[in-house]
Amino acid sequence: KNQVEQSPQSLIILEGKNCTLQCNYTVSPFSNLRWYKQDTGRGPVSLTIMTFSENTKSNGRYTATLDADTKQSSLHITASQLSDSASYICVVSVKGGYNKLIFGAGTRLAVHP
Amino acid sequence: DVKVTQSSRYLVKRTGEKVFLECVQDMDHENMFWYRQDPGLGLRLIYFSYDVKMKEKGDIPEGYSVSREKKERFSLILESASTNQTSMYLCASSFGGRGREQYFGPGTRLTVT
Repeated sequence: KNQVEQSPQSLIILEGKNCTLQCNYTVSPFSNLRWYKQDTGRGPVSLTIMTFSENTKSNGRYTATLDADTKQSSLHITASQLSDSASYICVVSVKGGYNKLIFGAGTRLAVHP
Repeated sequence: DVKVTQSSRYLVKRTGEKVFLECVQDMDHENMFWYRQDPGLGLRLIYFSYDVKMKEKGDIPEGYSVSREKKERFSLILESASTNQTSMYLCASSFGGRGREQYFGPGTRLTVT
């Protein structure tokens, strides 16, 4: 069964600190993996996309890693800001057919001053 | 900039009512999707459409139907709303092809009483 699991479910950090969110997946065949950010009351917005051959990709203070062998990904946030408070969703795309996505339940991050 | 809009941000309906949720995208995307999002669960696909007048069932189509009469517009219909359909509904669109990014609307929070 195609699944995406994220940890932790929720996280509280102080402004300026770093944090790492984890994603494990059992999706086959694998096409790509995205991290989405979802602010409260809004739709998800893509932060990064990683294909099978990519190990790391950065988008400003966000750095995503992918280990295709162990089927794990992480999202590292550097020097957190209050605006980073949101849910972060790991999404894996299934190869073939229509554009099917498998969503994790998300990690809810709260950045406190 | 891709824009996906949804007709209502908040909606309150009574059990048994027929409910229409509208979604419009302005990027000439072939694919459109309807998801529901519930706490602790990943987004779940209700229906999708890969062309005008075409529709395919997603993972949880029961109790829902859809309509796509124009390329830019995708409607979700709850024929007879029930309390277990209280949820956040998200529309998304993407170009055709595998692994393409899906762009999400802001969501409609539907409460059925």
